[in-house]
Amino acid sequence: KAGVTQTPRYLIKTRGQQVTLSCSPISGHRSVSWYQQTPGQGLQFLFEYFSETQRNKGNFPGRFSGRQFSNSRSEMNVSTLELGDSALYLCASSLGTPPLHFGNGTRLTVT
Amino acid sequence: DQQVKQNSPSLSVQEGRISILNCDYTNSMFDYFLWYKKYPAEGPTFLISISSIKDKNEDGRFTVFLNKSAKHLSLHIVPSQPGDSAVYFCAASARENDMRFGAGTRLTVKP
Repeated sequence: KAGVTQTPRYLIKTRGQQVTLSCSPISGHRSVSWYQQTPGQGLQFLFEYFSETQRNKGNFPGRFSGRQFSNSRSEMNVSTLELGDSALYLCASSLGTPPLHFGNGTRLTVT
Repeated sequence: DQQVKQNSPSLSVQEGRISILNCDYTNSMFDYFLWYKKYPAEGPTFLISISSIKDKNEDGRFTVFLNKSAKHLSLHIVPSQPGDSAVYFCAASARENDMRFGAGTRLTVKP
């Protein structure tokens, strides 16, 4: 069974731009969660989608948004990028309850 | 808000000895706890979990202990092997997949 796939692996963007990250969950998994990892901060929870609906949300500003499609694939969008948005963005899928199964992440660098 | 805390950023142990990684949490609503292991350039991989109705769960060389009154959990690895060298994240969940992670502890097992 294929694991969680995130694309692209690396991205470089300029302050003020917007970016879209993509995540394909494990086949059969209906839940997709997004996390931001920065040095010293661990994994910060962004949001979780289940069957195309946002089910849980972390404490990030509205510049961070997401959506889930009918095939469970998910996208995360960050608008008006700031230098502090530079991080590893991790996507995880599950059947609906823990454990989560993570992809290898998208490394975003904002210059 | 750091609801899950791993106060030791790093730990070094000798091969064959016990590794003990610690985690504290503040939210008494958490009822499911997990440990993840992360290698560089890879996403976290699920290691072991425990629900709040138990105080111990074992899986081979890995044992997780939960002390609900102290809001503390620990991961014991016995015996430690060089391949165990990685960053270990503690995570806790109160509902569905709204999972909160600690900042991680880097374990180094020396041959």
